[in-house]
Amino acid sequence: QSVLTQPPSVSGAPGQRVTISCTGTSSNIGAGYDVHWYQQLPGTAPKLLIYGNRNRPSGVPDRFSGSKSGTSASLAITGLQAEDEADYYCQSYDSSLSGVFGGGTKLTVL
Amino acid sequence: EVQLVESGGGLVQPGGSLRLSCAASGFTVSSNYMNWYMSWVRQAPGKGLEWVSVIYSGGSTYYADSVKGRFTISRNNSKSTLYLQMNNLRVEDTAVYYCASVRGDSRIDNWGQGTLVTVSS
Repeated sequence: QSVLTQPPSVSGAPGQRVTISCTGTSSNIGAGYDVHWYQQLPGTAPKLLIYGNRNRPSGVPDRFSGSKSGTSASLAITGLQAEDEADYYCQSYDSSLSGVFGGGTKLTVL
Repeated sequence: EVQLVESGGGLVQPGGSLRLSCAASGFTVSSNYMNWYMSWVRQAPGKGLEWVSVIYSGGSTYYADSVKGRFTISRNNSKSTLYLQMNNLRVEDTAVYYCASVRGDSRIDNWGQGTLVTVSS
């Protein structure tokens, strides 16, 4: 059971907007620690998608955006494309002195 | 460019041991540059990501409860190599193990390609 809670799956048609939620507690997200998001394509290592709640590394399209409020965070993907079909993970830090992950969300592009 | 390359995975029987290595290039595993530290993250087949162990630039370490007392993280600064010694392996330790460089804000900005550890009789 993961420390951060994500929906197991979301789906959307090409061109649509989808959001993925990530819920934590007062010992991680709610304690003010940053939330980061990763995209994992099948058979590959995860890739940093959003860091520091809302920042995109160089090369990540601006179709991807992140936000955080209280004990939760969200990843939004606009203009959905077939290549966005992947698993998405949120991650933060916990006062137990470790990074923590969400359980992952599988995005299906219909 | 930072590159992390893991090795040492394989098939081992329950109760056995393995040592994973992660060769880093583009920076040193002991570097305090931008507050980086090194970590092992694993992913069981069809499952999510689990933070296994961390070694901070000052040498202090952290272990997940699931591996505490069985796994040991270490590094060789001169070789820019990170290690994970895994003893008393269990079937539930079966996973792809990723080496990762972590920034001070806890983001993982570099991942290795992963090495598969299979614990089975």
